[in-house]
Amino acid sequence: QKEVEQDPGPLSVPEGAIVSLNCTYSNSAFQYFMWYRQYSRKGPELLMYTYSSGNKEDGRFTAQVDKSSKYISLFIRDSQPSDSATYLCAMSAPGRGSYIPTFGRGTSLIVHP
Amino acid sequence: GAVVSQHPSRVICKSGTSVKIECRSLDFQATTMFWYRQFPKKSLMLMATSNEGSKATYEQGVEKDKFLINHASLTLSTLTVTSAHPEDSSFYICSAPFGGTEAFFGQGTRLTVV
Repeated sequence: QKEVEQDPGPLSVPEGAIVSLNCTYSNSAFQYFMWYRQYSRKGPELLMYTYSSGNKEDGRFTAQVDKSSKYISLFIRDSQPSDSATYLCAMSAPGRGSYIPTFGRGTSLIVHP
Repeated sequence: GAVVSQHPSRVICKSGTSVKIECRSLDFQATTMFWYRQFPKKSLMLMATSNEGSKATYEQGVEKDKFLINHASLTLSTLTVTSAHPEDSSFYICSAPFGGTEAFFGQGTRLTVV
């Protein structure tokens, strides 16, 4: 079992839909949780960062962490074609390892007009 | 957020030649930087940790003589792919930690060896 599991998709939704992206993990030491957006042939861009269970909202994005279930989610409201990208979840443990996240393989999202 | 600049964004080279990729932290100092490799539709794979003023730390299975890393200053790390072969073709990405727990990534370099 991989440390971080993420469905690669692709996930195709119409413009304006609510998107739900998810990851599960097995390492209880993970305390920091991140979502990155990666456009084709570009480096990952940090979208959301959280270190506690619960929800964190930033504009149209909401990150949700459930440590008891080892499950994290990213919700995108009012999705736009410009949101089409690969979304990578990432998580890390405290200490030096916090700089070196373990990544999921990414979910490809396609928002069509 | 912090900016990490990676150059070049794309490079094509012939088999047997060497290619250097630069990673710069533009508005902060980074004593440590990380180099990743990403295959199509795959996750990022950590190759090595670049340490300013000392030797890089390589992950298991990564050939240190093939992937030379130099971290000569607090804002620059370089990855040199030596004697490149077609199987080295990939997307290489650097990152630098910032603020204690976050990492910011460069734009990535698409290497094609022909």
